[in-house]
Amino acid sequence: KAGVTQTPRYLIKTRGQQVTLSCSPISGHRSVSWYQQTPGQGLQFLFEYFSETQRNKGNFPGRFSGRQFSNSRSEMNVSTLELGDSALYLCASSLGSLNTEAFFGQGTRLTVV
Amino acid sequence: TQLLEQSPQFLSIQEGENLTVYCNSSSVFSSLQWYRQEPGEGPVLLVTVVTGGEVKKLKRLTFQFGDARKDSSLHITAAQPGDTGLYLCAGADAGGTSYGKLTFGQGTILTVHP
Repeated sequence: KAGVTQTPRYLIKTRGQQVTLSCSPISGHRSVSWYQQTPGQGLQFLFEYFSETQRNKGNFPGRFSGRQFSNSRSEMNVSTLELGDSALYLCASSLGSLNTEAFFGQGTRLTVV
Repeated sequence: TQLLEQSPQFLSIQEGENLTVYCNSSSVFSSLQWYRQEPGEGPVLLVTVVTGGEVKKLKRLTFQFGDARKDSSLHITAAQPGDTGLYLCAGADAGGTSYGKLTFGQGTILTVHP
């Protein structure tokens, strides 16, 4: 059974640019959550999608957005990149009901210069 | 806002020693998950505890969920260098509406020296 796949693994962008990250969940999983991980703040929840609908959102500015497709694959977009957006972006896949286990991808390392 | 306080933040021990990592909160969680993360990789799920007072064992690792579902601990017996990594606890909101959201502790960086 294939795990969670995130692409690309590494990205270097310039301030002001935008970026799109992709996540393919485990087959059969309909929920995809996104997290930002930094040394100072740890893992922080960005948002969660289930059946193409955003069900939950963390405390991030509107520059951070996402979407989910009918095959459960998800993308997140960050516009007008800032230096502070440099982080490891992780997506987690789950069945989508409460208390179900979340399985993470390897992450996308974004560096903003 | 739910918070999970994880301690200690750093742990450096010799091979063969025992250790315990704690995860505490003033909030009730419906479940709590423990992960281990290697540098540059995503967290790997170790265990999920759901019932208050629950104890789960995974080889040399023992996980416990507090009776009130507000705290948890991870105990490693006879640590090995392969146990080195970042250990994270993560709680799922008991409120019933926070789908897909886990609240993470700050993590414990464990280093086991041969």
